[in-house]
Amino acid sequence: DTGVSQNPRHKITKRGQNVTFRCDPISEHNRLYWYRQTLGQGPEFLTYFQNEAQLEKSRLLSDRFSAERPKGSFSTLEIQRTEQGDSAMYLCASSLTVLRDEQYFGPGTRLTVT
Amino acid sequence: SQKIEQNSEALNIQEGKTATLTCNYTNYSPAYLQWYRQDPGRGPVFLLLIRENEKEKRKERLKVTFDTTLKQSLFHITASQPADSATYLCAPGTRGGANNLFFGTGTRLTVIP
Repeated sequence: DTGVSQNPRHKITKRGQNVTFRCDPISEHNRLYWYRQTLGQGPEFLTYFQNEAQLEKSRLLSDRFSAERPKGSFSTLEIQRTEQGDSAMYLCASSLTVLRDEQYFGPGTRLTVT
Repeated sequence: SQKIEQNSEALNIQEGKTATLTCNYTNYSPAYLQWYRQDPGRGPVFLLLIRENEKEKRKERLKVTFDTTLKQSLFHITASQPADSATYLCAPGTRGGANNLFFGTGTRLTVIP
């Protein structure tokens, strides 16, 4: 499968714990995005990488959230001290740096904080 | 603040009819607009992109229009099939910086056999 992959697909954690998600983009794509989606809503932008550089973060992104893309390939999203409000689907997408090209989304990681 | 509205939360139509979904935006001047399909428990799948200087775009049974004066995009599925049942998301995008998308809440389309 040459699409975007995300692991794990599901994560259940207790409030206060840290969690980390991984995204493997399409190999030749240099742009990588993280979104969060809650039930009945569209995806909400969190952060964006071009190669290994994190170029933009949403103002809605709490300090408890951190993302990395160390070698410009896969990316990780960590949430520290999880809260129940963090429960959502976390989506990763990738694209090429072509003028306004489409984004290819992974299947998402569903996080449930109990 | 920027706002994206999709016409209705849910739309039911009879198989074979044309489905028309609406996306309106305010406080926004998008350089382009994308439409995505999302099935339950899955990530969105890209369908069509239309730029601000284009009035209409087609792909097989899909057609998208973009009216920057009305600040509206219409998404049409002709000869609809039950397999078209899904949530459809519009996502205007801005110039410069990240290519991050701002999504509407989506319209859940159900095509009834």
